[in-house]
Parts: sequence; C-alpha cells; structure tokens
Amino acid sequence: AQSVAQPEDQVNVAEGNPLTVKCTYSVSGNPYLFWYVQYPNRGLQFLLKYITGDNLVKGSYGFEAEFNKSQTSFHLKKPSALVSDSALYFCAVREVDSSYKLIFGSGTRLLVRP
Amino acid sequence: DAGVTQSPTHLIKTRGQHVTLRCSPISGHKSVSWYQQVLGQGPQFIFQYYEKEERGRGNFPDRFSARQFPNYSSELNVNALLLGDSALYLCASSGQAHSSYEQYFGPGTRLTVT
Repeated sequence: AQSVAQPEDQVNVAEGNPLTVKCTYSVSGNPYLFWYVQYPNRGLQFLLKYITGDNLVKGSYGFEAEFNKSQTSFHLKKPSALVSDSALYFCAVREVDSSYKLIFGSGTRLLVRP
Repeated sequence: DAGVTQSPTHLIKTRGQHVTLRCSPISGHKSVSWYQQVLGQGPQFIFQYYEKEERGRGNFPDRFSARQFPNYSSELNVNALLLGDSALYLCASSGQAHSSYEQYFGPGTRLTVT
C-alpha cells in the first residue's frame, strides 16, 4: 500500500530565509506525488505535483519540490519565506487503483516569524 | 470560474441523526471525491465517483454513502451519526479519474456531532 510520512509536526523559519518541509513516501510502482496547503478554516489548495520528468518541480506561490527516488523523498522548498506562507502543508501520494485516491501525510505546520 | 463549492458550511447534529452534505465540482469536471479530515490529521479518503459510478471506497462503515448526479454534483450521506463523525468533510473534483490529474478541493463542511 502507498503511504507518505511527514516527520516534522512543525517547522519554524524566519521571514526571508529558505524553508524546507520534508516528505518521504512508500509506493509500489511509479510515484505520483502532490503538495497541498491548508489555511485556517479553509480547504486544501493545490501547490504542485510530480508525475514524471525533471526532479525539480515548480509550483504556485514560489514553491518548488525536489523528487529524490533513491531517498524516496519529495521535500517542499521555497528560497525566501513569507509570513503569509504560515499554514498547514500536506504531502500526498496517489493510490494506483481504480479510485486514484490521494493518501495524505499527517501534515506539517509552517510558522514563518517576521 | 467558480471553484468547488460545498454546502452547508457548518452543521451541528445530534448523535443518531443523519446528515446530507452537498458538493458542486468545477465546471467540466466529471470526478468527485470525498474526504474526512479530523482535527489534527490529514484527510482520509471516503469515496470517489466518476461519471456517476463509484470508483473507490475508503475504510468507512456502511453508514456512509454517496452518489453523483447527472450534472456531476454529489451528495455524501451519513446515517446514525456518532461523536467520532465530527470532522471537516472535504469534496474534491478532478477533470479526469486519472492518476496524473490533481484534485481541487472545496472549502469543506464542518460537521459537529453532539
């Protein structure tokens, strides 16, 4: 069965500094990986996905993610954090069955301090 | 274009009652999925429908049911509510039921069972 792990409950970073939110995955076959962000009392917003191709994927709001097959990781990154980036971030992997459901990690809270 | 819409926004029910949640997908999207997000956890897959047919079902009891209408909107029904059903219920739509397509989430319905 597919699974994802987000080892950090919370990541703290100063505004202007680079940020990394970690995600590791376990899949059988080719991984289809996604990052979503959730603001308070809101649904999930799609940030980016990796299906195939370049290991560095660029997404919305200046975010990017690096796919590393040997380390089975898909870490979310941003060169310069903004206070407005403070939110809950979820990594997800697509189940390869008829439902194509998303399997989410437990989430990482990002806090960017001014 | 309007995104995924869900109604109602909030709902308070008593144990034993039933509830119906509604979702309208992005125009042109034929796939609708439902997820349950308990506070402090990542979303858990409940159902996926594509072209009005159930494509997948998560590990939820038979008290949970859903359907998709000819206009691709969807309903999630939960019978005999339990306190543990209190959660944010998220609806997501996708253009196709294919692994490479990202899902777009609505704002969710917050269900509180007392």
